[in-house]
Amino acid sequence: EIVLTQSPGTLSLSPGERATLSCRASQSITRNYLAWYQQKPAQAPRLLVYAASSRATGIPDRFSGSGSGTDFTLTISRLEPEDFAVYYCQYYGRTPLTFGGGAKVEIK
Amino acid sequence: QVQLKESGPGLVKPSETLSLTCVVSGASISSPHWWNWVRQPPGKGLEWIGEIYHSGTTHYNPSLKSRVTISVDKSKNHFSLNLNSVTAADTAVYYCAQLVFDLDYGMDVWGQGTTVTVSS
Repeated sequence: EIVLTQSPGTLSLSPGERATLSCRASQSITRNYLAWYQQKPAQAPRLLVYAASSRATGIPDRFSGSGSGTDFTLTISRLEPEDFAVYYCQYYGRTPLTFGGGAKVEIK
Repeated sequence: QVQLKESGPGLVKPSETLSLTCVVSGASISSPHWWNWVRQPPGKGLEWIGEIYHSGTTHYNPSLKSRVTISVDKSKNHFSLNLNSVTAADTAVYYCAQLVFDLDYGMDVWGQGTTVTVSS
């Protein structure tokens, strides 16, 4: 089972600032089978990025994913008010699918 | 447009079985995709429970495998989750989800989630 560790746990930023979220895997992820989700209170998660760096349909280009092997990053280039939420990385290469513990981006 | 909706009791007694159903609309459950259950305890992160294919093939989270059964009913276009011997630790929002990933494709559809509380 691949364990995903996200850091930092909470990021306090202002609108317009850049957010950088990290996800580290316990072993190398083949074919970059790594996704990122956004979750707002009382809502289901929403897929932002798959294959480490491909944006899902309808996701603004201020969201970008990068990385390979064991280290992955989600960057939000300029935070909009609607981007303050919790973000999860997910491994989907094989079962069990696993999620990181989440990273909260809060308004400073 | 695929839509998913969970249903089931909101309150389950300890040691009993939690049973939820996810109705699929806008698509056939026999489409070539896996159907998932994911849960989220209050204030905590996401936990993958398991998945099922329309053939009935399943994969489960090892941490829950001894207590989980996921099944599919093609005639009703729905799939179900049974989790037995529940405790307070099973209190969570339970989501059903279609997660589709390929080398150059990614898509997700989630139900709205249903809250299940384990309490006597």
